[in-house]
Amino acid sequence: GAVVSQHPSWVICKSGTSVKIECRSLDFQATTMFWYRQFPKQSLMLMATSNEGSKATYEQGVEKDKFLINHASLTLSTLTVTSAHPEDSSFYICSARTSGGSLFGPGTRLTVL
Amino acid sequence: DQQVKQNSPSLSVQEGRISILNCDYTNSMFDYFLWYKKYPAEGPTFLISISSIKDKNEDGRFTVFLNKSAKHLSLHIVPSQPGDSAVYFCAASAGTGNQFYFGTGTSLTVIP
Repeated sequence: GAVVSQHPSWVICKSGTSVKIECRSLDFQATTMFWYRQFPKQSLMLMATSNEGSKATYEQGVEKDKFLINHASLTLSTLTVTSAHPEDSSFYICSARTSGGSLFGPGTRLTVL
Repeated sequence: DQQVKQNSPSLSVQEGRISILNCDYTNSMFDYFLWYKKYPAEGPTFLISISSIKDKNEDGRFTVFLNKSAKHLSLHIVPSQPGDSAVYFCAASAGTGNQFYFGTGTSLTVIP
């Protein structure tokens, strides 16, 4: 059945490096995917809306040059955290709408040392 | 501005009893609502949804009630089981293809 997967599930990196997170739709095509971020004990916050073949739409306060989103195909959206810093450590989750409802990926835990 | 609110950060319920989780929203344009369950270090797991054309949706032990006039929805879990212990988020969106706005979550503990 339709599933949203994310890779990697957990990544640890040094401060200043860039990290790429993949979000894939399995068994369905997603023209629109959403990227969320969750800080501890807070709700999920929408970062950006990723549209296949066009530029992502970022929410207010989200640095588009820091969080690069590429939605190159109908089944893959990527989020690249550039020059990561410890304050970027968080849980990043993508989601996609299907005809049967909304699917969320399992999330990626980013730890920046 | 928090458009979706869950005013109870935590709830403890005895196994077998009913768990009632509440959620309020402010945007009258919201027409699709979801409840998610989340374990630590995992992504959200979809539980149940309801559209604004209905006031109740039931799926097994889970029932969601929607009161549009009060801008309030609730999730009932009957009977509650220890495996239900997790953080529950409600979420709302306006129109198809739009992003969801999440509440801050309610941590449910079901006591054996």
